Amino acid sequence: SAVISQKPSRDICQRGTSLTIQCQVDSQVTMMFWYRQQPGQSLTLIATANQGSEATYESGFVIDKFPISRPNLTFSTLTVSNMSPEDSSIYLCSVATGSRSPLHFGNGTRLTVT
Amino acid sequence: QQQVKQSPQSLIVQKGGIPIINCAYENTAFDYFPWYQQFPGKGPALLIAIRPDVSEKKEGRFTISFNKSAKQFSLHIMDSQPGDSATYFCAASGALSGSARQLTFGSGTQLTVLP
Repeated sequence: SAVISQKPSRDICQRGTSLTIQCQVDSQVTMMFWYRQQPGQSLTLIATANQGSEATYESGFVIDKFPISRPNLTFSTLTVSNMSPEDSSIYLCSVATGSRSPLHFGNGTRLTVT
Repeated sequence: QQQVKQSPQSLIVQKGGIPIINCAYENTAFDYFPWYQQFPGKGPALLIAIRPDVSEKKEGRFTISFNKSAKQFSLHIMDSQPGDSATYFCAASGALSGSARQLTFGSGTQLTVLP
């Protein structure tokens, strides 16, 4: 399976600032997704990162708050903008090599907003 | 209709026991049902997955049982070990999710296997 690297692995940020999370995959993948996992909770899909076009956001998530880029088939970024303590979560990058392929996750970015 | 309901929320078994985690779904368009295992500080790792054309799938000590008519599936861990202590998530996806891999996750089960 693809090796997924996320940076940073954790961060503590101040309210009102923004953080960009990077996801690098060691091979080309068809699909990349960003998930959020709040402490002790399940995983919620934020958006599908589309190569060369705007991301597709799920209900409750908007581009102004979570801008996403995907310039090629191995890299994506998620920015958490104008952060508040409610944004404290684990943000996970996930990939699939094809529409019928399993979904694999990176180890996540643990974000704490103070 | 997109929900996947998972139970129990937590489970404690003795070493060698067989913990069973259950999931139920409503959306009949779901056609892929994976289980993920997550250790603290790590991302979820795919454990085993099943499609609705089979009723059971085994991989090592892990077995998925699938009941299409009841819209339920479960994970059994044979001869459980303390190293199996983790959080387990069931999930489901299908064509109507918009993408074959946009998974809907259950709420998770925290499993503790006592030595």
